[in-house]
Amino acid sequence: NAGVTQTPKFQVLKTGQSMTLQCAQDMNHEYMSWYRQDPGMGLRLIHYSVGAGITDQGEVPNGYNVSRSTTEDFPLRLLSAAPSQTSVYFCASSWTEGPGELFFGEGSRLTVL
Amino acid sequence: GENVEQHPSTLSVQEGDSAVIKCTYSDSASNYFPWYKQELGKGPQLIIDIRSNVGEKKDQRIAVTLNKTAKHFSLHITETQPEDSAVYFCATGTYKYIFGTGTRLKVLA
Repeated sequence: NAGVTQTPKFQVLKTGQSMTLQCAQDMNHEYMSWYRQDPGMGLRLIHYSVGAGITDQGEVPNGYNVSRSTTEDFPLRLLSAAPSQTSVYFCASSWTEGPGELFFGEGSRLTVL
Repeated sequence: GENVEQHPSTLSVQEGDSAVIKCTYSDSASNYFPWYKQELGKGPQLIIDIRSNVGEKKDQRIAVTLNKTAKHFSLHITETQPEDSAVYFCATGTYKYIFGTGTRLKVLA
């Protein structure tokens, strides 16, 4: 099993550019989520989804869009990148039957110049 | 909203000693409390979790204790080894997980 796969692992953008961080899982998990990790801030929830066609906002959703057209994929879109979005992004998935273990990807390091 | 405070932010211990990391939370309705370990360049990985119907859970050298009255839970690592060196995060929540700010544990050989 590949688990949770994130691409790309590294990306450099200029302010105002757009891009999509990809996340795919092969565990048939209903729940998927995106976090950003900044020094001293821990992991902060951006958006999450409890199933195909269903998404909701987390703590820090501004500047990010998501969609969930399949169970396997949960892409994160930055429409107009800003330096404040420089961070390490993690995708995580889980069974949706109540709270339980999150399975994280390896992360995507994004730098916005 | 829910808030989780984690202390200390850094912790250095001698190999073989114990390490304790503590988290406090604000939402009295919280009922799930996991701990994650993050090694350098990797995503966090669950090491132990506890639900609110128990006060303590052990898994070999790792234990978690929960005090619902005081709204805090702690991670205990005994007989620390160099491979325990990592960043540890506490968390709580259901769909909207809230994480602590992390503790960098360094085990000195």
